[in-house]
Amino acid sequence: GAGVSQSPSNKVTEKGKDVELRCDPISGHTALYWYRQSLGQGLEFLIYFQGNSAPDKSGLPSDRFSAERTGGSVSTLTIQRTQQEDSAVYLCASSPYRGTPYEQYFGPGTRLTVT
Amino acid sequence: DAKTTQPTSMDCAEGRAANLPCNHSTISGNEYVYWYRQIHSQGPQYIIHGLKNNETNEMASLIITEDRKSSTLILPHATLRDTAVYYCIVRVAYTDKLIFGTGTRLQVFP
Repeated sequence: GAGVSQSPSNKVTEKGKDVELRCDPISGHTALYWYRQSLGQGLEFLIYFQGNSAPDKSGLPSDRFSAERTGGSVSTLTIQRTQQEDSAVYLCASSPYRGTPYEQYFGPGTRLTVT
Repeated sequence: DAKTTQPTSMDCAEGRAANLPCNHSTISGNEYVYWYRQIHSQGPQYIIHGLKNNETNEMASLIITEDRKSSTLILPHATLRDTAVYYCIVRVAYTDKLIFGTGTRLQVFP
């Protein structure tokens, strides 16, 4: 079946502009995660959604970052007033359930470049 | 959050076993060890996970020491396609978060 998809695959924006990154999780997966990966670095957790529970936003680096998940499916990560240090690959993952061990299925990522 | 320590890089000859070590000395009793890998320019891929017992699947084996302070991922017959960054991760107890470190860059050579 279809995997996790993300759009756009690449985004170049000017410093100070807002950007929206989209994630379509695997159908039926109740958990959704956002990570970012700066060049040559490991993955940095940003936020995750589980069903109808309040999202865990503990990884968001500043209040310029926010995310929504509508209808328990598609998610949008918004970065306001982008800065050059926001340049990174933003990865989305989904997983089928919570509470017992599970694997996260990752999308291909969105490469964001802030000029 | 339990942290993991991995070597920065390793080499392995094609066809040989690749043994990737990981230290997680602060792991608590209910935290699982996960391994993912990331091939260049792709999203991470799940490999295997375990709690106390050794585990094996079609991709790899996971050996966890009795005190759970370290583990080893074994790729029994490495191929060139196994060249990737391998992440050892401890799942934060009572949460769904995986905290990735910087991983081990495995280079498989002919």
